[in-house]
Amino acid sequence: EGQLLESGGGSVQPGGSLRLSCEGSGFTFNNYAVNWVRQAPGRGLEWVSGITGSGASTYYADSLRGRFTISRDNYKNMVYLQMNSLRVEDTAVYYCAKEVRSTSKGSFDIWGRGTSVTVSS
Amino acid sequence: QSALTQPPSASGSPGQSVTISCTGTSGDVGGYNYVSWYQQHPGKAPQLIIYEVSKRPSGVPDRFSGSKSGNTASLTVSKLQTEDEATYFCNSFGGSDNLIFGGGTKLTVL
Repeated sequence: EGQLLESGGGSVQPGGSLRLSCEGSGFTFNNYAVNWVRQAPGRGLEWVSGITGSGASTYYADSLRGRFTISRDNYKNMVYLQMNSLRVEDTAVYYCAKEVRSTSKGSFDIWGRGTSVTVSS
Repeated sequence: QSALTQPPSASGSPGQSVTISCTGTSGDVGGYNYVSWYQQHPGKAPQLIIYEVSKRPSGVPDRFSGSKSGNTASLTVSKLQTEDEATYFCNSFGGSDNLIFGGGTKLTVL
């Protein structure tokens, strides 16, 4: 069964940057879209961004467009989330998640364990 | 777009059934058959239990079922078990390649 593993989280001051990584294994990586979903402490889930299997198309939550950039390297089975101009409200656990099939939307059957991002002065 | 509306809490006794609603608009839940449901236990990643309104991934018990009517999707958990106690989230495709989650429903098995 497939797995995803996030890394790159940590503590950063407001205005700073972080790059999160998500490594996939156990499935044909370039066949599936991968998304980032975040969860602020004690809060619900919030979709952040998604990228198609080929990497040709990317999608963002309207509130984050312009600050976050998603990309992938299918040779390395990696998806990245570059986060710039970070704000206190970006503090959350960030999960990467895989679509259950190539034509679905929002159906994430494999999730990583999450990586924690804290934005604080 | 606004978050989908879920009741903050639900409860039931072991063996009973409980239904959790997820209300959106014609621009999301009502407009597409891309509604998913996730179960999340404290400190754990979410787990997909229903996708595309009513499909169950392999390994998910058939006690979990999904449906949709108009702008409201529903998750029904039958024959409640203590391990079903968790928070449940819905999400929906919202057009323009946008995904929207509900606020979550904490299910208590009494």
